[in-house]
Amino acid sequence: AQSVTQPDIHITVSEGASLELRCNYSYGATPYLFWYVQSPGQGLQLLLKYFSGDTLVQGIKGFEAEFKRSQSSFNLRKPSVHWSDAAEYFCAVAPSGTYKYIFGTGTRLKVLA
Amino acid sequence: DSGVTQTPKHLITATGQRVTLRCSPRSGDLSVYWYQQSLDQGLQFLIQYYNGEERAKGNILERFSAQQFPDLHSELNLSSLELGDSALYFCASTGTGSGNTIYFGEGSWLTVV
Repeated sequence: AQSVTQPDIHITVSEGASLELRCNYSYGATPYLFWYVQSPGQGLQLLLKYFSGDTLVQGIKGFEAEFKRSQSSFNLRKPSVHWSDAAEYFCAVAPSGTYKYIFGTGTRLKVLA
Repeated sequence: DSGVTQTPKHLITATGQRVTLRCSPRSGDLSVYWYQQSLDQGLQFLIQYYNGEERAKGNILERFSAQQFPDLHSELNLSSLELGDSALYFCASTGTGSGNTIYFGEGSWLTVV
């Protein structure tokens, strides 16, 4: 069965520090991959997505993610975190050509001033 | 702003009652999805409609039902409510111009007391 694992439930970083949020998936073929962010009391906002092609994907708010087929991973990175990045981040996968999203359990990011 | 509108934003009701959550998809999107986000279950897919027809079903309880109307708005009906139904219910939509991306509304907070 398809699954998505976000091994870190909580992450705390200092403002200005770099960030990497991990996402691993289990799926036979290369799925569509997504990262969403949810600020408190808000809906889910798409940060970036990967369908095919260049394995390094640029998103909004200075985020990027790298797809590594050999590791079945799609980790989210940001070189310098801002206090406004504090939120919950969700990785999601969907079989290619479908909208059957499977979400990870999320990683809650705390940013220290 | 994703363009997906959900009402009400907050709702408090008693056990055993019935509520209806409403969703207006992005302009032109034919597909509507409903998701439930709770502390213990995470973000779970409930059901998908495409142009008025049910397209896919996820972990939706029999006490819950949904429909999509000719104007493409959708309603999620929750009946015989239990305390465990307290959650954030998201609507999302997608269409031919969405590039396999689902856009989420801000959700409807349901509290069952």
